[in-house]
Amino acid sequence: GQQLNQSPQSMFIQEGEDVSMNCTSSSIFNTWLWYKQDPGEGPVLLIALYKAGELTSNGRLTAQFGITRKDSFLNISASIPSDVGIYFCAGHTISGESGSRLTFGEGTQLTVNP
Amino acid sequence: DTGVSQDPRHKITKRGQNVTFRCDPISEHNRLYWYRQTLGQGPEFLTYFQNEAQLEKSRLLSDRFSAERPKGSFSTLEIQRTEQGDSAMYLCASSLRSRTREAFFGQGTRLTVV
Repeated sequence: GQQLNQSPQSMFIQEGEDVSMNCTSSSIFNTWLWYKQDPGEGPVLLIALYKAGELTSNGRLTAQFGITRKDSFLNISASIPSDVGIYFCAGHTISGESGSRLTFGEGTQLTVNP
Repeated sequence: DTGVSQDPRHKITKRGQNVTFRCDPISEHNRLYWYRQTLGQGPEFLTYFQNEAQLEKSRLLSDRFSAERPKGSFSTLEIQRTEQGDSAMYLCASSLRSRTREAFFGQGTRLTVV
């Protein structure tokens, strides 16, 4: 089945630093999404990418859809303590006439030290 | 609050008991998804509905699991004869058919089977 390899698994940074994380896949996705999850909560959608090569920003967050459609990265600039959480990449596939599902990476745990 | 709502937030049950979870999607969303998330992993797709029709089921959805969306609004996920391996966070998400790739998640139901 499809698998997403997300790296790094964890990051420990100082407030104000920039952060970069990425996802790679053995399969092509038609959409890449990035979510953030706080403990005990559901994932919250941060950015959605629809076209190969697309670069999209949401405040301090920037994400890109790889040209091969098999990878994506997320950058966070000038990190702040509330950026702490687990970041997931997800790829969307359409299977057959009605299939629709997200495949998630294993997450990147981000810790920001004040 | 007009987000995805899940009930209960937490459920502790004894092995062998049946449990049922409820999800109320965002009101205008016609697609509804169930995912399961175990500790340290990303969410895994279980099943999804378009209106009241269940269009896709994952192989993870064993015959002890059943999901319904009888009127195309709220959905229920039932697990019969629970096992310890069923302990996980069960997440519901919804989306518009026209923007199916942007799924919005609820806060999840944390199931613990003892």
